[in-house]
Amino acid sequence: DVKVTQSSRYLVKRTGEKVFLECVQDMDHENMFWYRQDPGLGLRLIYFSYDVKMKEKGDIPEGYSVSREKKERFSLILESASTNQTSMYLCASSPVGSDEKLFFGSGTQLSVL
Amino acid sequence: GEDVEQSLFLSVREGDSSVINCTYTDSSSTYLYWYKQEPGAGLQLLTYIFSNMDMKQDQRLTVLLNKKDKHLSLRIADTQTGDSAIYFCAESMTGGFKTIFGAGTRLFVKA
Repeated sequence: DVKVTQSSRYLVKRTGEKVFLECVQDMDHENMFWYRQDPGLGLRLIYFSYDVKMKEKGDIPEGYSVSREKKERFSLILESASTNQTSMYLCASSPVGSDEKLFFGSGTQLSVL
Repeated sequence: GEDVEQSLFLSVREGDSSVINCTYTDSSSTYLYWYKQEPGAGLQLLTYIFSNMDMKQDQRLTVLLNKKDKHLSLRIADTQTGDSAIYFCAESMTGGFKTIFGAGTRLFVKA
């Protein structure tokens, strides 16, 4: 079974802090994604990566950056956390040629106070 | 732009059938998906259909696609309390790297 692991289930940070959300997948998938989930809005794509060191902006990249130094790891960085970044963050991965199916981690609920 | 719409809430009695509906706007979509999210968990792919198909059945699940009306539905037969979850409709294109999700329908099953 594909496993996508997010390092923290719950995280509480203060406004202005730098926040790192880590995601690791164990199935050698080329593509990795970061989404945020907000009630009534569904999932919105923040960034994705189709290869090591490659990244592309999604629909809502403002206030975020990402890093993919190794194939299995994709990090989401909030340079200076703000209260409107309080949300559930979901990491996903997919292999090439997989009918675009996504495999999700369990999510990180981030609260910025 | 691309958009996927679905109702936010559905309540059914245990043993009844549930039908969750979804409409999408992008006629070039190749794949249409249903993902399930249980409380405290990430999304899990439930089933999906190619855009050149009208129907797909998998045990208690039936997916119907009306491409002309851009309407997708998920029917769950003999709904159980364990089916209580949020169901997301989503669309994607081959090699598009971008899956568009609806807001999710919360299914509540009454015992």
